[in-house]
Amino acid sequence: AQSVAQPEDQVNVAEGNPLTVKCTYSVSGNPYLFWYVQYPNRGLQFLLKYITGDNLVKGSYGFEAEFNKSQTSFHLKKPSALVSDSALYFCAVSRSYNTDKLIFGTGTRLQVFP
Amino acid sequence: DSGVTQTPKHLITATGQRVTLRCSPRSGDLSVYWYQQSLDQGLQFLIQYYNGEERAKGNILERFSAQQFPDLHSELNLSSLELGDSALYFCASSVTGLTYNEQFFGPGTRLTVL
Repeated sequence: AQSVAQPEDQVNVAEGNPLTVKCTYSVSGNPYLFWYVQYPNRGLQFLLKYITGDNLVKGSYGFEAEFNKSQTSFHLKKPSALVSDSALYFCAVSRSYNTDKLIFGTGTRLQVFP
Repeated sequence: DSGVTQTPKHLITATGQRVTLRCSPRSGDLSVYWYQQSLDQGLQFLIQYYNGEERAKGNILERFSAQQFPDLHSELNLSSLELGDSALYFCASSVTGLTYNEQFFGPGTRLTVL
């Protein structure tokens, strides 16, 4: 069965510092991986995805993520955090080409302090 | 703004009642997904429609049903409501319904069952 783990409920980082939000996945075969962000009282917004190709994927708002097949990880990163990055971040995975469903992690709350 | 609209924004009702949630996908998107977000279950996929046809089912209760109409809007019907059905219900849409296309989420409908 497909699954996603986000081991940290909350990540705290100072503004201007680099940030990492961790995600590991379990899926048979090649995964399709996504990061979404949810701001308070808003729907989820797509940040980036990995389908195939380069392991480093660049997305919206300066975020990037690195796909690591051997470690089954897809960590979200940003070189310099902003206070406005504070939000809830979800990692999601799918396996089937013709699917259906995204399996979401439990979410990680990112708090960026000024 | 993702281009996906959901109505109503908030819904308060009593146990045993029936409600209908409505979703209009982005212009040009053929696929609609419904998700439930609750504190204890996280973000869970319920059901997907593609161009009027059901494509996939997730953790959707038998008391819940959905449909997608010829104009591509979708409705999620929740009946015999229980306290545990209180949650945020998201609709998302994508162009083709294929996994590697990112999904665009609406702002959600917050359902409170009293």
